[in-house]
Amino acid sequence: QQQVKQSPQSLIVQKGGIPIINCAYENTAFDYFPWYQQFPGKGPALLIAIRPDVSEKKEGRFTISFNKSAKQFSLHIMDSQPGDSATYFCAASINQGGKLIFGQGTELSVKP
Amino acid sequence: DAMVIQNPRYQVTQFGKPVTLSCSQTLNHNVMYWYQQKSSQAPKLLFHYYDKDFNNEADTPDNFQSRRPNTSFCFLDIRSPGLGDAAMYLCATSKRLYNEQFFGPGTRLTVL
Repeated sequence: QQQVKQSPQSLIVQKGGIPIINCAYENTAFDYFPWYQQFPGKGPALLIAIRPDVSEKKEGRFTISFNKSAKQFSLHIMDSQPGDSATYFCAASINQGGKLIFGQGTELSVKP
Repeated sequence: DAMVIQNPRYQVTQFGKPVTLSCSQTLNHNVMYWYQQKSSQAPKLLFHYYDKDFNNEADTPDNFQSRRPNTSFCFLDIRSPGLGDAAMYLCATSKRLYNEQFFGPGTRLTVL
């Protein structure tokens, strides 16, 4: 119940494509869903986060879509660039006051 | 710029030889966390300090200890490193418990 399942494990797209990374959860008490971006040899950096009272949040080229009834959320990267190549982790917590439960990560490669 | 700093960035130690990793922050955050991240895996929370209060995750081995002498600094001590402890160690901070977390660049630990 405390798991967050993330897919795919790896993803290759061409520059300009729209990679989509999906996450699913079981615990309905989760109410904070951040996405972290991690470059090789660096620590994760908070990219964007959403609460379940909205169905979509956009920041620049990054969009989170949230489906509360399906208990799923996804990250879309518009007009992807080679510089977006990184590992992306979704996560979930309760009231922003619970431990972050991370997904397994998706290694994204954007080809020029 | 306010930030989370980890030293050293790379640490090599011998099997069984104690090692200490350092984290400092200029964010003046109340909470400091230590995570272990193995290759191609999500970060795994080891413990956290909320001010001076220490909280150990249930599955963190006794081999791992932590000290927080003041608000700005936190140390991770590995008393007798084994080969399985080779990993990236990430320090993170947040203003309140499990609130938005800011990660440092990590220390890559190699055990020979």
